[in-house]
This record gives sequence, C-alpha cells and structure tokens, in this order.
Amino acid sequence: AQSVAQPEDQVNVAEGNPLTVKCTYSVSGNPYLFWYVQYPNRGLQFLLKYITGDNLVKGSYGFEAEFNKSQTSFHLKKPSALVSDSALYFCAVRDRGDSSYKLIFGSGTRLLVRP
Amino acid sequence: DTAVSQTPKYLVTQMGNDKSIKCEQNLGHDTMYWYKQDSKKFLKIMFSYNNKELIINETVPNRFSPKSPDKAHLNLHINSLELGDSAVYFCASSQDPPWRGPGDEQFFGPGTRLTVL
Repeated sequence: AQSVAQPEDQVNVAEGNPLTVKCTYSVSGNPYLFWYVQYPNRGLQFLLKYITGDNLVKGSYGFEAEFNKSQTSFHLKKPSALVSDSALYFCAVRDRGDSSYKLIFGSGTRLLVRP
Repeated sequence: DTAVSQTPKYLVTQMGNDKSIKCEQNLGHDTMYWYKQDSKKFLKIMFSYNNKELIINETVPNRFSPKSPDKAHLNLHINSLELGDSAVYFCASSQDPPWRGPGDEQFFGPGTRLTVL
C-alpha cells in the first residue's frame, strides 16, 4: 500500500532564511510525487510535481523539491522564506502501477515564517 | 472567473438530515474528485468521476452518493447525517484521467465546511 509521511507538524523559520519541509513516501512501484499548499480557508493549490527525469523539480513561488529514490524522500525547499509562505503544505504520492489511481496525501506540515 | 466552485461554503445542519453539496468546474476538465478533510487537516479521497463515470470509490458509507450530471459538475449527496460527517469537503478537477499519464495536477475548490449538530 502506498503512504506518505510528513514527520513535522510544524516548521518555523525566520524570513529570509532557507526552509525545508520534509516528505518521505512508500510505494511498491515508481512514484509520482506532488506538493500542494493550502492557505487558511482555501482549497489546495498545486506547487510542483515529480514525474521522471531530473531529480530537482522547480515549481511555483520559488519552491523546489528534490526527489531522492534511495531515501524515498521528496523534500520541499526554498532558498529564502517569505512571511507570505506561511501556510499548510501537503506532500502527495501516486504509485504508477496502482490501478486504483488514488492520490495519497500526507498529514500536512504547517509552515510559519516569522518577520 | 472561479475555476472550481462549490456551494454552499458553509453548511450547518442537524443529525439525521439529508444535504447536498454542489461542485462545478469551468476548466473543461474530464475528471473530478471529492475529498474529505477532517479536523486534523488529514485529506482523503472519497470519489472520482471521469466523463460522468465513477472511477474511484473509496470505502465510504453508502449514505454518501456522488452524482455527475455532466463532466463539469459533480455533486455530493449525504443522507442521514452523523456527527462524524463534520468536516471540510473539497471538490477538485484535473484535465486527464489518471490512467492517461503521469497525473495532472488537481485544481481544488474553496471547500464546504459541514457542521453536523
């Protein structure tokens, strides 16, 4: 069965500092990996995805994520955090070989960027 | 224009009632989804339709019945509401069905906060 783990409930960083939001996954085959962001009282917004190819994926708002197959991780990063990045971040995975086609979400990590 | 819209935004009702949530997307997408987000923000797929056909049907009580009158609309009807149904329900859509490729990103609606008293 496929699963996603986001080990940190909350990440706190100062504005201007780099940020990392961690994600590890478990699938039986090869993964499709996604990051979404949720602002208060809003739906989720797509940030980036890994399908194949280059392990470093660049997405919206200056975010990027690195796919590491050996560590089964897909951590979200940004070189310089903004206060406006404060939100809830979800990692999601789909197993390419899974005929159920379900996208499995992690439990979410709240990012707080202090001024 | 709102890409994925849901009505109502808030829904407060008594246990045992029947209620519906409506979803519409104007993106021309073929596939639509319903998700449930609980009080701990955990998000779980409930249903998915592709061109009005059910393709994902998670283990949810049969009190929940999705209906897709056309590919731009996916409604969720809930019978005999229970306290545990209180959650935020999100509708989403994507361009292609999941079997067609790597998986398009999904576009989410603003959510419907359902409170069952």
